Amino acid sequence: SQQGEEDPQALSIQEGENATMNCSYKTSINNLQWYRQNSGRGLVHLILIRSNEREKHSGRLRVTLDTSKKSSSLLITASRAADTASYFCATDASAGGTSYGKLTFGQGTILTVHP
Amino acid sequence: EAGVAQSPRYKIIEKRQSVAFWCNPISGHATLYWYQQILGQGPKLLIQFQNNGVVDDSQLPKDRFSAERLKGVDSTLKIQPAKLEDSAVYLCASSTQAYQGANVLTFGAGSRLTVL
Repeated sequence: SQQGEEDPQALSIQEGENATMNCSYKTSINNLQWYRQNSGRGLVHLILIRSNEREKHSGRLRVTLDTSKKSSSLLITASRAADTASYFCATDASAGGTSYGKLTFGQGTILTVHP
Repeated sequence: EAGVAQSPRYKIIEKRQSVAFWCNPISGHATLYWYQQILGQGPKLLIQFQNNGVVDDSQLPKDRFSAERLKGVDSTLKIQPAKLEDSAVYLCASSTQAYQGANVLTFGAGSRLTVL
């Protein structure tokens, strides 16, 4: 079953604009990760945020996590045409501080960045 | 480092035929996953191995799907007999808990199956 639900399902923006994608989940988590998938390719890990963290940054990416609302958001700043891809959140519901569990993926957000 | 290798990249079969997919994970990665991704959906875990033992196969349709990981390295996923609804991309991923104790997955390019 899918743990995460992403919103919006599709997002179309112009180059230079910011893109925000949201993810909601149902159970308690150890960490939440975001992955990117270019058309016809495998997924690539972007960023991980632990349940005791509220915000993480990596380059043009900013991730927030609100465990009380069971939600996360991914912000891509100053988007580029090369950012066009599908973006998935994935939750690890392992108990304790070390992750042994499976990652459960959401349905994804399709981002299109127009030059 | 070399990535996760999968083959074949594409396969077209008739329903009720059988098919096998192969995966070679990143060297040293103890955990190996097979995910099924139907068009327009997120990946769904089929089976997770830790070395050569099964950790989770709760969503594997065991009447038609089987998977093995010999010697804790390469893995094969087999479907026999295939149904139309098995048309999907089969993604193999591997991981190590070197990311500060968390499982971060490295995916292969996937094997696209079309069942006619």
